[in-house]
Amino acid sequence: QSALTQPRSVSGSPGQSVTISCTGSSSDVGGYNYVSWYQQYPGKAPKLVIYSVNKRPSGVPDRFSGSKSGNTASLTISGLQAEDEADYYCCSYAGSYIFEVFGGGTKLTVL
Amino acid sequence: EVQLVETGGGLIQPGGSLRLSCAASGLTVSSNYMTWVRQAPGKGLEWVSVFYSGGATYYIDSVKGRFTISRDNSKNTLYLQMDSLRVEDTAVYYCARTNRGTGRWDFDFWGQGTLVTVSS
Repeated sequence: QSALTQPRSVSGSPGQSVTISCTGSSSDVGGYNYVSWYQQYPGKAPKLVIYSVNKRPSGVPDRFSGSKSGNTASLTISGLQAEDEADYYCCSYAGSYIFEVFGGGTKLTVL
Repeated sequence: EVQLVETGGGLIQPGGSLRLSCAASGLTVSSNYMTWVRQAPGKGLEWVSVFYSGGATYYIDSVKGRFTISRDNSKNTLYLQMDSLRVEDTAVYYCARTNRGTGRWDFDFWGQGTLVTVSS
C-alpha cells in the first residue's frame, strides 16, 4: 500500500506557525475521520498529538491543531517552540483490508 | 499508568525466526486492539499487524504467512512471531494500543521499541 504524502521538511522561527500537509485518497484520509498525528524525537517512540482529525489528547498543548479538507489533512503548530523540533507523522485508517497507512514523515526544524 | 515493554529483538540471519513480546501494565491486552508498528532505520513508520479484542488478526501484505500475532491473556502480553525473516524486515518494532473509543482509531500508548536486525 502507498504511504500518505507529507513534505520531507518544514521550518519556522520561534513564535511562528507552521503547517504540515498529509495527502492521501478517498480510500483513507478522505474516507474516514480517523486521521491522527504523531510526534517523534530521535531514538524515541512516537507520541500521539492529534486524533480523529482535530482532537488533542490530554496534555498536548493547544498550539497543536488539526484539520482536513477532502483527501488532505493538515497539522498546524502555532507559537513554535524549540521543543517542537521533531519528526511528525500522519496516519489514517484505510478500511478493513489495508487498515492503517502512515505518511512518510516530516522533519520540523525550529530556526 | 499504562506501560508497554517490548523485548525479544536482536540480530538474526535471513530465514531465521524471532519472537517479540510486549508486556502490558495499566491496560488489559485482551480487552483492547493491540498493534505492531515498525520503523526501518532512518525511515518512516509502517503498520504491521493488529489483534482485535474479539480475536481477529490482520497483517500487512508483506508479512502475511511469515508473521503471527498472538496474545497470552494470563500474562497480559502481546507477541509477534516472525519467521522466514528477510533483510527488509530490519526495523525497530513498537507495540501500541489502538484506541477504539467512540469516533477513534489511533495509537495512544506506545512501547519503547525493540530493534530487529536481519543480516548475514
